Parts: sequence; structure tokens; C-alpha cells
Amino acid sequence: GENVEQHPSTLSVQEGDSAVIKCTYSDSASNYFPWYKQELGKGPQLIIDIRSNVGEKKDQRIAVTLNKTAKHFSLHITETQPEDSAVYFCAASISGNTGNQFYFGTGTSLTVIP
Amino acid sequence: NAGVTQTPKFQVLKTGQSMTLQCAQDMNHEYMSWYRQDPGMGLRLIHYSVGAGITDQGEVPNGYNVSRSTTEDFPLRLLSAAPSQTSVYFCASSPTGLAGYEQYFGPGTRLTVT
Repeated sequence: GENVEQHPSTLSVQEGDSAVIKCTYSDSASNYFPWYKQELGKGPQLIIDIRSNVGEKKDQRIAVTLNKTAKHFSLHITETQPEDSAVYFCAASISGNTGNQFYFGTGTSLTVIP
Repeated sequence: NAGVTQTPKFQVLKTGQSMTLQCAQDMNHEYMSWYRQDPGMGLRLIHYSVGAGITDQGEVPNGYNVSRSTTEDFPLRLLSAAPSQTSVYFCASSPTGLAGYEQYFGPGTRLTVT
């Protein structure tokens, strides 16, 4: 099956600096790559996603890049704010027999220091 | 809309006991899924469904049963709980099982098996 690796596991940045989280995947059949933010005690929430036919997508301070050849994708957060502190998960999706299966990375705990 | 709801929020079971984790959504979503989240391992897909009467196994299905008799509900059954099933369980739903559609997660159920 698919294997998604995520780095780093923890990341601390000063407020206003940028944060980058990287993921790699193993199965070239993966065709959809969402990123989730999880705050303490809550379920994950989608913050941005990218399909396999797109190389980059941006939404205000958040951007995602995808390199299909190298099988890696990255989350970029610019001008970080304390409310960006959370655990971030990447995921890769493969079409299964009856629907998509999602494989998640192990998470990155981001701390933004005021 | 209430979104995705899960009950109970917390549960303690003894080894060998059975129970059902409830999940419901009021968004008329076709796709529903169950994940478990363990420290350092991200989220792992247990079972998923693309509509009433259709279910399929995910990455870690052993020890769990599901059924989908209505569009709204997708219960997860533990027939004989084991300590290895201690985890936080999340239910999610999406409009369809196709790639590119946002998954909405519930608030989670924290299960401890002693």
C-alpha cells in the first residue's frame, strides 16, 4: 500500500517567519494530496489541497507544491501567527475498488513563538 | 447543519467487551470513513463506505466491523475489545468517494481498553 512520510515531526518558528513541512509518498497512483490542521481535542480540518495535475496552489498565507516525479509535496506557511500553532498532517489519496483511500503522514507539531 | 457527530466522546472498556461507536452526518454525504489516531502514527483508515449498503476495508480493519444501512449513519463495532484498540477514533464524511472532495471530520471518540 501507500506509504506517506512527513518531516519534521516538530517545528518551532518565530512569529512572522515562514514554516515548511515536507511529505513524500511511495505510490505513483496517488492523485490527491490534502493538508489538515488539527487543534488540541478536535478533529482534523482541511486547510489546502492539490490534485496530481497541478504543481502549485496558494490560498492567502498558505501554499502547497507538488513534485510528481520526485513524489513529494510540501506545505508553506508565510507570515506565521500564534494561531497557526497546531498539528499538521499531509495525506495522499488513491482510488480504491469502491472509493478513495487516504493515507496520512505522522504529523508535524508547529509552534509559533510570539 | 450539525456536520459530523460522534458518540460517545470518551469510553473505557474491559478486554473482551463489545461496543459500538456511533457516527452520523446531516450533509447527505455519500462517502463516510473511520480512522484511528495513535501517537506518532498519524491517522489510519479502518473502514470506509461510498453509500448505503457498500463498505470496504481500509489499512487496519482487523477487529472492527461496519455497516451502512442509511446515508446518515456509519457505526463502528468492536466485537471483542483488546488493549491494542486503545486509541482516538475519528469519523469523516465527504460528498463523494472521488478524489478532490473535502473530508469533514467529527470531534473524535477517545477509547481506552483495560
